[in-house]
Amino acid sequence: GAVVSQHPSWVICKSGTSVKIECRSLDFQATTMFWYRQFPKQSLMLMATSNEGSKATYEQGVEKDKFLINHASLTLSTLTVTSAHPEDSSFYICGAGGGETQYFGPGTRLLVL
Amino acid sequence: EDQVTQSPEALRLQEGESSSLNCSYTVSGLRGLFWYRQDPGKGPEFLFTLYSAGEEKEKERLKATLTKKESFLHITAPKPEDSATYLCAPWTGFQKLVFGTGTRLLVSP
Repeated sequence: GAVVSQHPSWVICKSGTSVKIECRSLDFQATTMFWYRQFPKQSLMLMATSNEGSKATYEQGVEKDKFLINHASLTLSTLTVTSAHPEDSSFYICGAGGGETQYFGPGTRLLVL
Repeated sequence: EDQVTQSPEALRLQEGESSSLNCSYTVSGLRGLFWYRQDPGKGPEFLFTLYSAGEEKEKERLKATLTKKESFLHITAPKPEDSATYLCAPWTGFQKLVFGTGTRLLVSP
């Protein structure tokens, strides 16, 4: 149980384009979902927290207009990186709250050329 | 400000050589502490939740313990498949986790 999927697992895009990443909780409902980014050999950095049906809460320093988060249902959250630039290249991981435990997706590696 | 420090940063063990990883934390309103395992290029995999000082949890070769200021992950007779980065994350409510930088464990056969 407690499986979280992410799609796509890999994405390469040109600078200036937008990229959407989906996060789904497959066997449980997640009222709260989290988006993290992780740089090589570093830990997870929380970007934002989203609750189903309400606006996301962004961490300090994260541009809400650049990283659009939608939590449309209890099993789906999306992160859209708008007008992506090479510095947005990173490993993006979603977390889904299942009870008191947070379960994580397998991650999406984004490369912006 | 909440702070989490994990040590050592990296640890190399021979198969069967037991050791411990440390997670020291300074957080307000601690409600629990999570341990995760992360393999390269993958998301963290849940291992344990500890809720109160003195609590212990075990899973195969791993045992996690918790005090008021730190947590330990003991690895008994590790195998090469235990090689991974181990992350601790105090939980301060609203399911918000504060991640440590992790310990990269390499177990050689």
